[in-house]
Amino acid sequence: QKEVEQNSGPLSVPEGAIASLNCTYSDRGSQSFFWYRQYSGKSPELIMSIYSNGDKEDGRFTAQLNKASQYVSLLIRDSQPSDSATYLCAVSSGGSYIPTFGRGTSLIVHP
Amino acid sequence: NAGVTQTPKFQVLKTGQSMTLQCAQDMNHNSMYWYRQDPGMGLRLIYYSASEGTTDKGEVPNGYNVSRLNKREFSLRLESAAPSQTSVYFCASSEGQGREQYFGPGTRLTVT
Repeated sequence: QKEVEQNSGPLSVPEGAIASLNCTYSDRGSQSFFWYRQYSGKSPELIMSIYSNGDKEDGRFTAQLNKASQYVSLLIRDSQPSDSATYLCAVSSGGSYIPTFGRGTSLIVHP
Repeated sequence: NAGVTQTPKFQVLKTGQSMTLQCAQDMNHNSMYWYRQDPGMGLRLIYYSASEGTTDKGEVPNGYNVSRLNKREFSLRLESAAPSQTSVYFCASSEGQGREQYFGPGTRLTVT
């Protein structure tokens, strides 16, 4: 069974700091990786996708993928209280390509 | 663009009642999905439709049926609701399999 693991948290960081969220996955054949943000009572919102090893930057967000070690991470620079949410990692493999979601990491950014 | 829309937003059912959750997307996406989200369980896939005319079971299909009415619309039906189906239901769509998913606002369902 394909597994995607995330630390449930909460991860608490001060405003202005870098928040680092990690995700590991079990299927070595995984090809597509996604980070979603979910505010309480709302639906998941896509932040970034990454498909190849290395870093991908989009504004204050950087996704990092290491297929050899089977982990993907999300860095949030200059964290703001508005970044407080649950962050979901999703991994898609060959075959059906249906993504498997982790249970999410709760991030709290305190002023 | 409205993106992915879902109706209703909230629903309360009694055990044994039936209902259909509606989902529509205006992004011309090929693939559509139904998830349920329960506290501590994360998102679990109920059914999906890789393309118009096809549907497949996901992780937790029991007690549900789906219809891909056309490329835009994908409905989820509960034939005989049970308290275990109390959950938040999300519809999502993607351009194709393995691509980014875009979620609707969700339906909060309570079965008493």
